Amino acid sequence: GAGVSQSPSNKVTEKGKDVELRCDPISGHTALYWYRQSLGQGLEFLIYFQGNSAPDKSGLPSDRFSAERTGGSVSTLTIQRTQQEDSAVYLCASSSSGPPWETQYFGPGTRLLVL
Amino acid sequence: AQKVTQAQTEISVVEKEDVTLDCVYETRDTTYYLFWYKQPPSGELVFLIRRNSFDEQNEISGRYSWNFQKSTSSFNFTITASQVVDSAVYFCACSGGGADGLTFGKGTHLIIQP
Repeated sequence: GAGVSQSPSNKVTEKGKDVELRCDPISGHTALYWYRQSLGQGLEFLIYFQGNSAPDKSGLPSDRFSAERTGGSVSTLTIQRTQQEDSAVYLCASSSSGPPWETQYFGPGTRLLVL
Repeated sequence: AQKVTQAQTEISVVEKEDVTLDCVYETRDTTYYLFWYKQPPSGELVFLIRRNSFDEQNEISGRYSWNFQKSTSSFNFTITASQVVDSAVYFCACSGGGADGLTFGKGTHLIIQP
């Protein structure tokens, strides 16, 4: 497809389990971003990749969160030992190049529910 | 770091009315970028516009127009002759010179009643 794709679209998990969320950016886009959208916090920036490198990981909420990008394309956001407060919509975006002030195009998101 | 304030949580108007969504930003960067995104009920964020801090020209795209005023740190969005399909949550966002992504406002939920 032409847009950013994310999988799964919905994920229900039990507290304490690990989850992996996947993002496939627009073909040719070198920059990739993860955001989280929740009722309480609104839209929060989590991490940005330029190619396979993330210059700054301080936006990740805790050390239970990690992200990687391989081959300059697909990215995975992993949440270990999920907690109920991790329930949110996780959005991925990509742009044709860094830096982050380039126009970002968003995917449909993964809705995560931690029971 | 940036801060974006959208003071209007929800606006409801009748179709064909004009409506303005307010956005006020704070940044210490001399070069920065401002954005508007639309989030319809389907949930996907749709890009509407991007402006840089050096270009204060207002922009019009069909029924949409944007008014950027550095003197008041505002980047307001007006929909002329609103339509039901305009119903959505609209987010204003700002990006500065760092690698910290977009800073979004809390969004304005726009309801267009038929």
